[in-house]
Amino acid sequence: QKEVEQDPGPLSVPEGAIVSLNCTYSNSAFQYFMWYRQYSRKGPELLMYTYSSGNKEDGRFTAQVDKSSKYISLFIRDSQPSDSATYLCAMSAWNTGGFKTIFGAGTRLFVKA
Amino acid sequence: GAVVSQHPSWVICKSGTSVKIECRSLDFQATTMFWYRQFPKQSLMLMATSNEGSKATYEQGVEKDKFLINHASLTLSTLTVTSAHPEDSSFYICSARPWGNEQYFGPGTRLTVT
Repeated sequence: QKEVEQDPGPLSVPEGAIVSLNCTYSNSAFQYFMWYRQYSRKGPELLMYTYSSGNKEDGRFTAQVDKSSKYISLFIRDSQPSDSATYLCAMSAWNTGGFKTIFGAGTRLFVKA
Repeated sequence: GAVVSQHPSWVICKSGTSVKIECRSLDFQATTMFWYRQFPKQSLMLMATSNEGSKATYEQGVEKDKFLINHASLTLSTLTVTSAHPEDSSFYICSARPWGNEQYFGPGTRLTVT
């Protein structure tokens, strides 16, 4: 079982739709949760960073963390064609080997005009 | 803030030659930088963790002698692919952790070995 599971998609939605992207994880030691957006042939861009259960909102983006269920989500409201990209979840924890960050496989999102 | 740059953005080299990729944190100091490799339509694969002033820590399966990492200063880490072969062709991305626990990524370097 992978430490982080993320549906690779692709996910195709019409412009203006609400998008829900999700990841599940198995290691309860994860404390920090991140969402990155990656356009084709570019480096990932940090969108959201949270470290506790609950919701965090930034503009059209809302990150949700449910540690009891080991489940995190990213919601995109009023999706735009420019949101078409791959979205990677990531989570981090300190362990005996140091600070480790594990990335999901990424979900490819297409927003159609 | 938290900008990371990489140079070059794209490089083509002949099989058997070596290529150096630079990763710089432009507006912060990073004691730790990370090097990733990414194949098309796949996720990031951590190659090594680079700590300023000490040897890099490589992930299992990554050849230390082939992928040389140097973290010479708090703003610069370099990855040298030695004796490159076509199978080394990939997208190489660095990241840095300026404060807290979040990572910021560079724009990536596309390496093509012919």
